[in-house]
Amino acid sequence: GESVGLHLPTLSVQEGDNSIINCAYSNSASDYFIWYKQESGKGPQFIIDIRSNMDKRQGQRVTVLLNKTVKHLSLQIAATQPGDSAVYFCAENGDGANNLFFGTGTRLTVIP
Amino acid sequence: SAVISQKPSRDICQRGTSLTIQCQVDSQVTMMFWYRQQPGQSLTLIATANQGSEATYESGFVIDKFPISRPNLTFSTLTVSNMSPEDSSIYLCSGCRFSGGEEQFFGPGTRLTVL
Repeated sequence: GESVGLHLPTLSVQEGDNSIINCAYSNSASDYFIWYKQESGKGPQFIIDIRSNMDKRQGQRVTVLLNKTVKHLSLQIAATQPGDSAVYFCAENGDGANNLFFGTGTRLTVIP
Repeated sequence: SAVISQKPSRDICQRGTSLTIQCQVDSQVTMMFWYRQQPGQSLTLIATANQGSEATYESGFVIDKFPISRPNLTFSTLTVSNMSPEDSSIYLCSGCRFSGGEEQFFGPGTRLTVL
């Protein structure tokens, strides 16, 4: 299977600061990536996605950066809020698969 | 995105029994999948549920243990057969309208505990 991993299993930030969550992937053929947010007791929630023909994409308070040279993906959350506390997963579609391969996950804790 | 519901939301079962989990999407989707998530861990794909034909299973998962049905474009079931405590996990249904994994969305999950 594919290998998608995260550099930091836990991350604590002060409310109002920016958060950066990192992810490494191993399959250079992956052409689609997604970030999910999973709160306790819930299913993963789609945050933002990016295709391999882009290196940056912005949403509301979130930005995803893709560096295909080093096979690295990051999620930036601006002005982090307590409601952002959750586990964040990156996922890739591997070698053109219809399903997704998930990374390990990073637990983000926002300190009020 | 569409909304996915799952039944039951949680269950506690005895060893050796079977449980069928239902997944309902509020609109038609092209692809449906079943994932397993051990507590505190990431998601592992069990199988792709194919409409009107046998599911496609990932390595380590077999039809006899996890039979799957998908009679139409909005509904699927996953059965966990002959359960053991090692099957205790969260089972998640997901769907997407496009190929290539695009905008895949998930149900709330079913938390299964096997005693």
